[in-house]
Order: sequence, then structure tokens, then C-alpha cells
Amino acid sequence: GAGVSQSPSNKVTEKGKDVELRCDPISGHTALYWYRQSLGQGLEFLIYFQGNSAPDKSGLPSDRFSAERTGGSVSTLTIQRTQQEDSAVYLCASSLATGDEQYFGPGTRLTVT
Amino acid sequence: SQQGEEDPQALSIQEGENATMNCSYKTSINNLQWYRQNSGRGLVHLILIRSNEREKHSGRLRVTLDTSKKSSSLLITASRAADTASYFCATDARSGGSYIPTFGRGTSLIVHP
Repeated sequence: GAGVSQSPSNKVTEKGKDVELRCDPISGHTALYWYRQSLGQGLEFLIYFQGNSAPDKSGLPSDRFSAERTGGSVSTLTIQRTQQEDSAVYLCASSLATGDEQYFGPGTRLTVT
Repeated sequence: SQQGEEDPQALSIQEGENATMNCSYKTSINNLQWYRQNSGRGLVHLILIRSNEREKHSGRLRVTLDTSKKSSSLLITASRAADTASYFCATDARSGGSYIPTFGRGTSLIVHP
């Protein structure tokens, strides 16, 4: 079946604009994760959804970041009033359940100019 | 601070040699996973080892887990140029009842043909 998909693959935006990043997880996966990775760095956990439970937002770096997951499937990560330090690759992953093997999408490379 | 830390940060070897990467973590875990990343995009799951397991094999990969030392190692035998990638360990850390998937900064492996 299809893997995790993300769109867009690349996004260039001006400082101060809002952006929306989309993630389509593998069908049937109850857990969905968002990460951020800056050049040459490890993955920074942002937010995690498990089924219909309220998401764990503890990793979000500021209140400019928000995410939602509609119908337990597609997720959107929104960054408001983007800053240059938001430039990074944003990775989405899904797994059958919490703690299971994660399947990653190809990522969205965000560049804030 | 990082829950998982890989060591070394970079490793350069010749094709045919073995590559060993280590991961240390801080809190108790249910499982530990190793992932591989090419070209700064999506990660690929390699192997999962549970806290009650000490060693696991998958093809040319061998993973060990020592929960008393809170450490794991990934051994790639008979390395190939195609093994060139970054390798990350991930733990399922729990914080106040919340599940926080935590990745280290990774080991960058270069295998020279």
C-alpha cells in the first residue's frame, strides 16, 4: 500500500507569512508524529496524535505552531508568522500504535526568506 | 537534553569493514529503534529491540541492548558503499504519562568503495 505522503515537498515563504504543511499517514495507523530537522541535526519532536485523543503538544517550540488531525487521518501542521529560524525539513511519520515502528514521509523542506 | 545520544557523531570506513554505532539514553524504555536516513529526508526503520531483549539480528545488522547501562549498539557487518547514511536511535521515553518519541543527533557513516 501507499506510504506516508507529505505536501508540499518544498515551500519557500516570506518572513511573517503563514504556512500549512500536510501529512497523509498510512491507512489504519492510529499514531501520527511531526518532527523538525535542521541541517545536520537530529529530529526534534513537535507533536504526536494517538487515535482520537487530544494531541501531545509538549514539543511545539512556540504558540505560532499548531497542528490538527481530521477524522483520525490527514494532519496539517500550521506555522503562523513564520520566522527565519523556522527554516528546516518537517517530517511526518505514522505507526500502527504508540511506540511501534514509525514510517516516515519524505518531508517538506521549508525555507523562510 | 537529548534522551538518545549516538556515538560517534561521524564514522568513516572502507567497504568490507564493520561499522559500530552506539546509543545511550537516560530514562527507562519499552523499546529502542534504529533508523537510517539518506540525504536529509525521510527515515527508514531498520530494527526494533524490546527492553526484555538483549540482541537482535536482521541481515547484516546486529543490535544489542543493555538496559542496565542504558545503551544500545548497532553493528553493520561487511559494509557497502550503499550503507553510507546517517543512523539514528529512537526511544519511547515517557514523561508524566505522555509518550515522547525521542531521536538522537545521529551518526554519520561514510563507507568508501
